[in-house]
Amino acid sequence: KAGVTQTPRYLIKTRGQQVTLSCSPISGHRSVSWYQQTPGQGLQFLFEYFSETQRNKGNFPGRFSGRQFSNSRSEMNVSTLELGDSALYLCASSPTSGAGTQYFGPGTRLLVL
Amino acid sequence: QKEVEQNSGPLSVPEGAIASLNCTYSDRGSQSFFWYRQYSGKSPELIMSIYSNGDKEDGRFTAQLNKASQYVSLLIRDSQPSDSATYLCAVNPDNFNKFYFGSGTKLNVKP
Repeated sequence: KAGVTQTPRYLIKTRGQQVTLSCSPISGHRSVSWYQQTPGQGLQFLFEYFSETQRNKGNFPGRFSGRQFSNSRSEMNVSTLELGDSALYLCASSPTSGAGTQYFGPGTRLLVL
Repeated sequence: QKEVEQNSGPLSVPEGAIASLNCTYSDRGSQSFFWYRQYSGKSPELIMSIYSNGDKEDGRFTAQLNKASQYVSLLIRDSQPSDSATYLCAVNPDNFNKFYFGSGTKLNVKP
């Protein structure tokens, strides 16, 4: 099976812009979670979708949003970018609805100038 | 208090030795626990999952879980230079796919 794919792999944006990142889970996986990884804060949970419904949201401002489509693909959007949003954004998919193993994609590295 | 605590290291061991990585968590009700390996510039890669108290072995890796002490560990036997990476402990506190990660322990295996 193909793994989790994320596009784009690299992005450079300027403050105030918005960005949309995409994630395609492993075939058959209906759960998609998003994480932000920075050197200072480590891996932090953003949100999780299962069957097009957001079930959990981490402690991030409303500028961070996401959605999931009927084919389980997911997108996350960050509006009004700030310098502190520079990070590696990781998507993970899981074959179960909960408490299961998560498999990570390669990530999207976002640099905000 | 962070939900998941790990010693950031670096932990240096000679090739062939046993590397011992430790993790503590704060949510006593947590039910599932995972170890991921992350090479520099790459995404986390699953090594092991453990759900019950005791030991779970997979090749050179052994995960140990003690829920009473809220403690998870990973032992790597016969450490190889290719094991040099950051090891992340992840805890799922409930029945949703929301992991809390430790800050990771950097392991250096010296030839």
